[in-house]
Amino acid sequence: NAGVMQNPRHLVRRRGQEARLRCSPMKGHSHVYWYRQLPEEGLKFMVYLQKENIIDESGMPKERFSAEFPKEGPSILRIQQVVRGDSAAYFCASSPFLETQYFGPGTRLLVL
Amino acid sequence: KNQVEQSPQSLIILEGKNCTLQCNYTVSPFSNLRWYKQDTGRGPVSLTIMTFSENTKSNGRYTATLDADTKQSSLHITASQLSDSASYICVVSAEQAGTALIFGKGTTLSVSS
Repeated sequence: NAGVMQNPRHLVRRRGQEARLRCSPMKGHSHVYWYRQLPEEGLKFMVYLQKENIIDESGMPKERFSAEFPKEGPSILRIQQVVRGDSAAYFCASSPFLETQYFGPGTRLLVL
Repeated sequence: KNQVEQSPQSLIILEGKNCTLQCNYTVSPFSNLRWYKQDTGRGPVSLTIMTFSENTKSNGRYTATLDADTKQSSLHITASQLSDSASYICVVSAEQAGTALIFGKGTTLSVSS
């Protein structure tokens, strides 16, 4: 059983471009969480999704950020019109229910 | 405000020595407390998870304690190894279904030979 997969592992974007981050949860896990980790900071919760539903998006900026977890395929975190402040490591975690979250390796986004 | 504070911020110890990392939290209502290990460039990996009624939990050379009255937890690492060099993160979950976790900033542990 493969762990949580995230791709790409590294992503470079220029200001104003779009960034798409993908997360494939562990097999059998229907809960996905996205976190952002700024340099020298702890992880910060962004959004919690179950299949086709956003359960809690209280940590996600209202503008430019969106997330989805379709019935088929990976969860996607989309950042439109990226700015330098979006540079961070974005981690995805999955769980089978309200249990221990298993983290992916993260996507490191660099905005030039 | 829900917060998780960890100390020390960083720590250097010699291989084979023991160390203890601290975590204080103000999360309420409390559901559970977890310790994660995060290697550089990797995602966090769960070490222990404790609920309100548990005051100690071990995982190999890692032993976590929890005092829910004082809202403090510690992670004790015995006979440290070079591979223990990582960031150790204390994470507290509030008592809400499907809720977000509140992360501490972590303690960076360096084990040297």
